[in-house]
Amino acid sequence: DGGITQSPKYLFRKEGQNVTLSCEQNLNHDAMYWYRQDPGQGLRLIYYSQIVNDFQKGDIAEGYSVSREKKESFPLTVTSAQKNPTAFYLCASSTPISIKTPGSYNEQFFGPGTRLTVL
Amino acid sequence: QKEVEQDPGPLSVPEGAIVSLNCTYSNSAFQYFMWYRQYSRKGPELLMYTYSSGNKEDGRFTAQVDKSSKYISLFIRDSQPSDSATYLCAMSDFFSNYQLIWGAGTKLIIKP
Repeated sequence: DGGITQSPKYLFRKEGQNVTLSCEQNLNHDAMYWYRQDPGQGLRLIYYSQIVNDFQKGDIAEGYSVSREKKESFPLTVTSAQKNPTAFYLCASSTPISIKTPGSYNEQFFGPGTRLTVL
Repeated sequence: QKEVEQDPGPLSVPEGAIVSLNCTYSNSAFQYFMWYRQYSRKGPELLMYTYSSGNKEDGRFTAQVDKSSKYISLFIRDSQPSDSATYLCAMSDFFSNYQLIWGAGTKLIIKP
């Protein structure tokens, strides 16, 4: 089955710890994204990657880091510099976004999410 | 003021009712308008998308875009308990249609 997997489903972090959230996709998508979702707020983009070995900051990148060494994988590290990391984290992927045809939309497919809680 | 405004609800309606969900936005450059459905503790899934203005229908769902009023709507006919979820609107302009701007989501409850 094609899709996006995220692990773990639940993660607990102590103050001062770095933690890494996993995201893997077998949809052969070039583009991958990380979002943060807080109650009462829309999804906010943390980082995105259009191609292997390249990624860009989104709106709320401070305190987070990513890598994109393989097409299938886009792990997110939540560092101790992120002061309020408790949230629901969503990974997504889409077909190449360099193709800009009016009217076409490169649907973003989402994983099941990881809920991170700071103890 | 947020770029995209969406009433978080919850919106509770009886089964079989017609549901209207709405978002307003401020950026006139937006051309892609999406509705995603998110069940509790799951990732969102694309329900419908519309390019530019007009209506789009898919089964019991109709998406409507009014660019002059900067207002989009999602209508659900003959609502079912399985439609109970959070509905998120998202939008983008042509040049960065991967950088979506999201509404806060409206929680919809369909009562049997």
